[in-house]
Amino acid sequence: AQSVTQLGSHVSVSEGALVLLRCNYSSSVPPYLFWYVQYPNQGLQLLLKYTSAATLVKGINGFEAEFKKSETSFHLTKPSAHMSDAAEYFCAVSENFNKFYFGSGTKLNVKP
Amino acid sequence: DTEVTQTPKHLVMGMTNKKSLKCEQHMGHRAMYWYKQKAKKPPELMFVYSYEKLSINESVPSRFSPECPNSSLLNLHLHALQPEDSALYLCASSQVGETEAFFGQGTRLTVV
Repeated sequence: AQSVTQLGSHVSVSEGALVLLRCNYSSSVPPYLFWYVQYPNQGLQLLLKYTSAATLVKGINGFEAEFKKSETSFHLTKPSAHMSDAAEYFCAVSENFNKFYFGSGTKLNVKP
Repeated sequence: DTEVTQTPKHLVMGMTNKKSLKCEQHMGHRAMYWYKQKAKKPPELMFVYSYEKLSINESVPSRFSPECPNSSLLNLHLHALQPEDSALYLCASSQVGETEAFFGQGTRLTVV
């Protein structure tokens, strides 16, 4: 069985501050992990993915995530938040690419 | 072209109506998906088509009927829906066995 848990349904940061969104996964096999972003009334856009290559993955818009097998984590970070980063972020896991399981989402608020 | 196009963007239907949601992609992807997303919840997988054949049905009620007429199109036929079926319906596509899914912007469905 595979699943992801996102800690914190809401995260609020000031513009320019570090963004840290947490994701822990559960998988019986080496997983493939993803972060997607969803703006209001929009579909999902892929930010980055881990597919068993480098453990530190760089994505779009300055985001990156580190796969830590010992901690079963795949936290998303960005050094300096921008107002345009305000959105909902979903961590997802897939074992065979045919099925993607999403976490419950974290809504990021960026304060001026 | 890296778009998944969904029509209509918004749909209001009565419980006795029959309607269809449409999804189209021209990326040559041979896997296509339907997800359902309730407000403030993550997307939940409904159906997966691989090479135009239904490969996964996540125990979805028969009032939802998917159809994949060709490799570029995916439909979701709706009949006798309930108000609790109101949600954002997301279509996605990917290469079979590839890592990421590309999502459309969704159809916001309201059942009255």
